[in-house]
Amino acid sequence: NAGVMQNPRHLVRRRGQEARLRCSPMKGHSHVYWYRQLPEEGLKFMVYLQKENIIDESGMPKERFSAEFPKEGPSILRIQQVVRGDSAAYFCASSISGWTDTQYFGPGTRLTVL
Amino acid sequence: KQEVTQIPAALSVPEGENLVLNCSFTDSAIYNLQWFRQDPGKGLTSLLLIQSSQREQTSGRLNASLDKSSGRSTLYIAASQPGDSATYLCAAPTGTASKLTFGTGTRLQVTL
Repeated sequence: NAGVMQNPRHLVRRRGQEARLRCSPMKGHSHVYWYRQLPEEGLKFMVYLQKENIIDESGMPKERFSAEFPKEGPSILRIQQVVRGDSAAYFCASSISGWTDTQYFGPGTRLTVL
Repeated sequence: KQEVTQIPAALSVPEGENLVLNCSFTDSAIYNLQWFRQDPGKGLTSLLLIQSSQREQTSGRLNASLDKSSGRSTLYIAASQPGDSATYLCAAPTGTASKLTFGTGTRLQVTL
């Protein structure tokens, strides 16, 4: 049973470009979470999604960031017009159901903005 | 708003020692608390999840306890090994929300 998969593992973008991060949850998991870990900081919640729905986006920056989890395919975290401050590790987690369940994390995507 | 604190921030122990990592949280209306391990440059590995109805959870040499009334959890590692060297994170949800609030972690080094 494959774990949570994220790709790419490393992503380099120049300022102003778009970054797309993908997350495939564990088989049978319909809940996806995105977290961000800035250098020398702890993990911060960004957004919680179920299939085709955004449940909680209270941790998402108001501009340039968006997330989706379509009926088919992986969850996508999209960052438009990236800036140096977006450089971080972005982790995706999944769970079978909601808040009572263990969240399983992927290996992360490390975004570097030049 | 949930706030999670972990003490100590760093810990170095010789191989074979038993050790305790501490986690405190401000919002005691939690349904569970989760402990993770993070190796440098890697993702998070879930170690233990304690439901609010439980007081302890064990997995191998790891034992986690939860005291909601005092807002504390501890992770006990028995007979530490160099392979246990990593950063240990605890995370608590906020009420019925699914999002986790993480502590800043305890960086553990087990020396030979």
